[in-house]
Amino acid sequence: EIVMTQSPATLSVSPGERATLSCRASQSISTNLAWYQQKPGQAPRLLISGASTRATGIPARFSGSGSGTEFTLTISSLQSEDFAVYYCQQYNNWPTFGGGTQVEIK
Amino acid sequence: QVQLQESGPGLVKPSETLSLTCTVSGFSISGGYYWGWIRQPPGKGLEWIGNIYHSGSTYYNPSLQSRLTISVDTSNNQFSLRLSSVTAADTAVYFCARGGAISPYDAFDIWGQGTMVTVSS
Repeated sequence: EIVMTQSPATLSVSPGERATLSCRASQSISTNLAWYQQKPGQAPRLLISGASTRATGIPARFSGSGSGTEFTLTISSLQSEDFAVYYCQQYNNWPTFGGGTQVEIK
Repeated sequence: QVQLQESGPGLVKPSETLSLTCTVSGFSISGGYYWGWIRQPPGKGLEWIGNIYHSGSTYYNPSLQSRLTISVDTSNNQFSLRLSSVTAADTAVYFCARGGAISPYDAFDIWGQGTMVTVSS
Protein backbone atom coordinates (compact mmCIF):
# COMPACT_ATOMS: atom_id res chain seq x y z
CA GLU A 1 0.00 0.00 0.00
CA ILE A 2 1.27 3.47 -0.89
CA VAL A 3 0.71 5.78 2.07
CA MET A 4 -0.08 9.42 1.32
CA THR A 5 0.72 12.01 4.01
CA GLN A 6 -0.67 15.54 3.81
CA SER A 7 0.54 18.57 5.70
CA PRO A 8 -0.43 20.62 7.47
CA ALA A 9 -3.64 19.12 8.81
CA THR A 10 -5.11 22.61 9.12
CA LEU A 11 -4.03 25.77 7.30
CA SER A 12 -5.34 29.17 8.41
CA VAL A 13 -5.21 31.72 5.61
CA SER A 14 -6.70 35.16 5.04
CA PRO A 15 -8.74 35.79 1.89
CA GLY A 16 -6.51 36.99 -0.92
CA GLU A 17 -3.44 35.27 0.49
CA ARG A 18 -1.55 32.34 -1.00
CA ALA A 19 -2.04 28.80 0.33
CA THR A 20 0.48 26.01 -0.11
CA LEU A 21 -0.54 22.44 0.66
CA SER A 22 1.85 19.48 0.71
CA CYS A 23 1.42 15.80 -0.06
CA ARG A 24 4.08 13.12 0.32
CA ALA A 25 4.00 9.55 -1.01
CA SER A 26 5.68 6.65 0.80
CA GLN A 27 7.26 5.59 -2.50
CA SER A 28 7.68 7.12 -5.92
CA ILE A 29 4.44 7.57 -7.86
CA SER A 30 5.84 9.53 -10.83
CA THR A 31 3.13 12.14 -11.55
CA ASN A 32 0.18 9.83 -10.88
CA LEU A 33 -1.37 12.23 -8.40
CA ALA A 34 -4.70 14.01 -8.13
CA TRP A 35 -6.00 16.78 -5.88
CA TYR A 36 -9.62 17.16 -4.78
CA GLN A 37 -11.60 19.83 -2.97
CA GLN A 38 -14.43 18.81 -0.65
CA LYS A 39 -16.96 21.06 1.05
CA PRO A 40 -19.24 19.91 3.88
CA GLY A 41 -22.02 17.62 2.69
CA GLN A 42 -20.67 17.49 -0.85
CA ALA A 43 -18.77 15.00 -2.96
CA PRO A 44 -15.10 15.68 -3.67
CA ARG A 45 -14.39 17.74 -6.79
CA LEU A 46 -11.41 16.96 -8.98
CA LEU A 47 -9.04 19.92 -9.23
CA ILE A 48 -5.79 18.50 -10.60
CA SER A 49 -4.66 15.24 -12.18
CA GLY A 50 -1.28 14.17 -13.47
CA ALA A 51 0.16 16.25 -10.61
CA SER A 52 -0.23 19.51 -12.54
CA THR A 53 -3.09 19.39 -15.08
CA ARG A 54 -6.16 21.35 -14.05
CA ALA A 55 -9.49 19.62 -14.55
CA THR A 56 -12.15 21.17 -16.74
CA GLY A 57 -13.51 24.40 -15.33
CA ILE A 58 -10.97 24.74 -12.52
CA PRO A 59 -9.73 28.33 -12.08
CA ALA A 60 -6.12 29.17 -12.87
CA ARG A 61 -5.45 30.17 -9.26
CA PHE A 62 -5.17 26.44 -8.52
CA SER A 63 -1.86 24.92 -9.54
CA GLY A 64 -0.13 21.64 -8.81
CA SER A 65 3.50 20.62 -8.95
CA GLY A 66 5.85 17.83 -8.02
CA SER A 67 6.85 14.31 -9.03
CA GLY A 68 8.17 11.21 -7.37
CA THR A 69 7.24 11.52 -3.71
CA GLU A 70 6.74 15.24 -3.07
CA PHE A 71 3.79 17.25 -4.35
CA THR A 72 2.31 20.68 -3.78
CA LEU A 73 -1.06 22.30 -4.40
CA THR A 74 -0.95 26.08 -4.49
CA ILE A 75 -3.94 28.39 -4.38
CA SER A 76 -2.53 31.74 -5.48
CA SER A 77 -5.14 34.06 -3.98
CA LEU A 78 -7.74 32.47 -1.75
CA GLN A 79 -11.36 33.26 -2.50
CA SER A 80 -14.20 32.73 -0.02
CA GLU A 81 -15.36 29.64 -1.92
CA ASP A 82 -11.93 27.99 -1.56
CA PHE A 83 -12.23 27.34 2.16
CA ALA A 84 -12.67 23.57 2.25
CA VAL A 85 -10.84 20.29 2.81
CA TYR A 86 -8.31 19.23 0.18
CA TYR A 87 -7.25 15.64 -0.47
CA CYS A 88 -4.48 14.19 -2.56
CA GLN A 89 -4.83 10.75 -4.19
CA GLN A 90 -2.22 8.57 -5.83
CA TYR A 91 -3.10 6.23 -8.67
CA ASN A 92 0.29 4.74 -9.48
CA ASN A 93 -1.05 1.59 -7.86
CA TRP A 94 -4.46 0.85 -6.34
CA PRO A 95 -5.69 4.27 -5.24
CA THR A 96 -5.01 5.68 -1.80
CA PHE A 97 -5.85 9.11 -0.40
CA GLY A 98 -4.10 11.44 1.98
CA GLY A 99 -5.73 12.40 5.26
CA GLY A 100 -6.69 15.86 4.03
CA THR A 101 -5.81 19.48 4.73
CA GLN A 102 -8.51 21.76 6.11
CA VAL A 103 -8.10 25.30 4.73
CA GLU A 104 -9.83 27.67 7.12
CA ILE A 105 -10.34 31.40 7.32
CA LYS A 106 -7.73 33.18 9.42
CA GLN B 1 -23.83 16.15 -18.87
CA VAL B 2 -22.67 13.01 -17.13
CA GLN B 3 -24.35 12.36 -13.79
CA LEU B 4 -24.08 9.56 -11.26
CA GLN B 5 -26.64 8.70 -8.58
CA GLU B 6 -26.24 6.21 -5.75
CA SER B 7 -29.20 4.29 -4.36
CA GLY B 8 -29.77 1.64 -1.72
CA PRO B 9 -30.72 1.06 1.91
CA GLY B 10 -29.49 3.60 4.42
CA LEU B 11 -29.46 1.10 7.28
CA VAL B 12 -27.91 -2.37 7.30
CA LYS B 13 -27.68 -4.81 10.20
CA PRO B 14 -24.31 -6.12 11.39
CA SER B 15 -23.19 -9.33 9.63
CA GLU B 16 -25.55 -8.66 6.71
CA THR B 17 -24.70 -7.51 3.16
CA LEU B 18 -24.59 -3.90 2.07
CA SER B 19 -25.87 -3.40 -1.48
CA LEU B 20 -25.73 -0.17 -3.47
CA THR B 21 -26.36 0.74 -7.09
CA CYS B 22 -24.98 3.63 -9.10
CA THR B 23 -27.06 4.80 -12.06
CA VAL B 24 -25.19 6.69 -14.76
CA SER B 25 -26.95 9.20 -17.02
CA GLY B 26 -25.64 11.27 -19.89
CA PHE B 27 -23.05 8.65 -20.85
CA SER B 28 -23.15 4.98 -21.78
CA ILE B 29 -21.10 2.75 -19.49
CA SER B 30 -20.46 0.56 -22.53
CA GLY B 31 -18.66 3.52 -24.12
CA GLY B 32 -15.65 2.99 -21.89
CA TYR B 33 -14.12 4.36 -18.70
CA TYR B 34 -13.59 2.64 -15.39
CA TRP B 35 -16.26 3.18 -12.73
CA GLY B 36 -15.55 3.15 -9.04
CA TRP B 37 -16.77 3.20 -5.47
CA ILE B 38 -15.19 5.30 -2.73
CA ARG B 39 -16.35 5.67 0.87
CA GLN B 40 -15.90 8.18 3.68
CA PRO B 41 -16.64 7.35 7.34
CA PRO B 42 -18.23 10.24 9.25
CA GLY B 43 -15.66 12.96 9.92
CA LYS B 44 -12.85 10.98 8.27
CA GLY B 45 -11.00 10.71 4.98
CA LEU B 46 -11.63 8.90 1.72
CA GLU B 47 -11.08 5.19 1.05
CA TRP B 48 -11.12 3.62 -2.41
CA ILE B 49 -13.27 0.48 -2.50
CA GLY B 50 -12.91 -0.78 -6.05
CA ASN B 51 -13.35 -0.20 -9.79
CA ILE B 52 -15.06 -1.98 -12.66
CA TYR B 53 -14.85 -1.75 -16.46
CA HIS B 54 -17.84 -2.22 -18.77
CA SER B 55 -16.42 -5.61 -19.72
CA GLY B 56 -16.81 -6.70 -16.10
CA SER B 57 -13.13 -6.60 -15.15
CA THR B 58 -12.83 -5.66 -11.49
CA TYR B 59 -10.12 -4.16 -9.27
CA TYR B 60 -10.58 -4.26 -5.52
CA ASN B 61 -9.01 -2.70 -2.44
CA PRO B 62 -7.01 -5.61 -0.97
CA SER B 63 -8.32 -4.86 2.51
CA LEU B 64 -11.92 -5.35 1.36
CA GLN B 65 -11.47 -7.92 -1.38
CA SER B 66 -12.65 -10.94 0.62
CA ARG B 67 -16.05 -9.30 1.28
CA LEU B 68 -16.50 -7.30 -1.90
CA THR B 69 -18.30 -7.80 -5.22
CA ILE B 70 -18.68 -5.06 -7.82
CA SER B 71 -20.76 -5.79 -10.91
CA VAL B 72 -21.98 -3.93 -13.98
CA ASP B 73 -25.35 -3.93 -15.76
CA THR B 74 -24.79 -2.24 -19.12
CA SER B 75 -28.40 -2.68 -20.20
CA ASN B 76 -29.55 -0.42 -17.37
CA ASN B 77 -26.39 1.71 -17.38
CA GLN B 78 -25.67 0.84 -13.76
CA PHE B 79 -22.96 -0.69 -11.64
CA SER B 80 -23.36 -2.13 -8.17
CA LEU B 81 -21.52 -2.79 -4.93
CA ARG B 82 -22.06 -5.67 -2.51
CA LEU B 83 -20.12 -5.77 0.75
CA SER B 84 -20.76 -8.76 2.95
CA SER B 85 -20.43 -9.36 6.70
CA VAL B 86 -20.62 -5.66 7.52
CA THR B 87 -19.70 -4.17 10.88
CA ALA B 88 -19.97 -0.70 12.38
CA ALA B 89 -16.62 0.10 10.73
CA ASP B 90 -18.40 -0.01 7.35
CA THR B 91 -20.62 2.92 8.33
CA ALA B 92 -19.81 5.66 5.82
CA VAL B 93 -20.97 7.85 2.98
CA TYR B 94 -20.56 5.78 -0.17
CA PHE B 95 -19.75 7.58 -3.42
CA CYS B 96 -19.73 6.25 -6.95
CA ALA B 97 -17.48 7.98 -9.45
CA ARG B 98 -16.08 7.85 -12.97
CA GLY B 99 -12.43 6.87 -13.24
CA GLY B 100 -10.03 6.86 -16.13
CA ALA B 101 -10.60 5.99 -19.75
CA ILE B 102 -7.51 3.83 -20.18
CA SER B 103 -6.12 2.69 -16.84
CA PRO B 104 -8.02 0.97 -14.04
CA TYR B 105 -6.18 3.28 -11.64
CA ASP B 106 -6.74 6.96 -12.30
CA ALA B 107 -8.28 10.12 -10.92
CA PHE B 108 -12.05 10.31 -10.48
CA ASP B 109 -13.46 13.21 -12.48
CA ILE B 110 -17.21 12.89 -11.91
CA TRP B 111 -18.82 11.87 -8.62
CA GLY B 112 -22.26 11.04 -7.36
CA GLN B 113 -23.64 13.01 -4.43
CA GLY B 114 -23.03 10.10 -2.05
CA THR B 115 -25.34 8.03 0.11
CA MET B 116 -25.01 7.49 3.85
CA VAL B 117 -25.06 3.87 5.01
CA THR B 118 -25.25 3.09 8.70
CA VAL B 119 -24.51 -0.36 10.07
CA SER B 120 -26.54 -0.89 13.22
CA SER B 121 -28.93 -3.36 14.75
